[in-house]
Amino acid sequence: IAGITQAPTSQILAAGRRMTLRCTQDMRHNAMYWYRQDLGLGLRLIHYSNTAGTTGKGEVPDGYSVSRANTDDFPLTLASAVPSQTSVYFCASSEKGGDYNEQFFGPGTRLTVL
Amino acid sequence: GQNIDQPTEMTATEGAIVQINCTYQTSGFNGLFWYQQHAGEAPTFLSYNVLDGLEEKGRFSSFLSRSKGYSYLLLKELQMKDSASYLCVPLGSNYQLIWGAGTKLIIKP
Repeated sequence: IAGITQAPTSQILAAGRRMTLRCTQDMRHNAMYWYRQDLGLGLRLIHYSNTAGTTGKGEVPDGYSVSRANTDDFPLTLASAVPSQTSVYFCASSEKGGDYNEQFFGPGTRLTVL
Repeated sequence: GQNIDQPTEMTATEGAIVQINCTYQTSGFNGLFWYQQHAGEAPTFLSYNVLDGLEEKGRFSSFLSRSKGYSYLLLKELQMKDSASYLCVPLGSNYQLIWGAGTKLIIKP
């Protein structure tokens, strides 16, 4: 693989269910990010990780959790999905966090919560 | 507060030149990115400006004036594939990116 992959591509989920969105990068980037993008709006940062073993909260962290056990993987978990979490979720990475490096994005996961 | 102001939508003709303007207000400033986002796809990096002036990269150029809180993206020799949203993304204090909805650019033959 080259770049960032996300899985699943799309998912329809019943409210109240638990869901983990997967994100893997092979660029050995230190920093990784999770965003959501609602229709017609800008990206909003959910959580980030500047290096393996550390995570931080973004603008809209409630209802979501992340872990960063290694450099390559950064899964996002919705503990109990609600309809307002219907969105497109993008994972991104950059060489370093807290810096001016460009971010590289995965193709996104389209999540619908009913 | 933090604010980004870009036109919601612009239309241009294939082969022409278009300039997308952006004004911003941020608490702290560490540069400004432009990203391109085709409908249904992820954003991709176009440019980064941290000093005043013009940065040219092929058909795309980006300009920054820090004192005016102003940037523009200039696209030359427009092609149909340039139809996309263009996102002006300041890098504020704590190196956090500030994302707006961007400008949807429609290219007509």
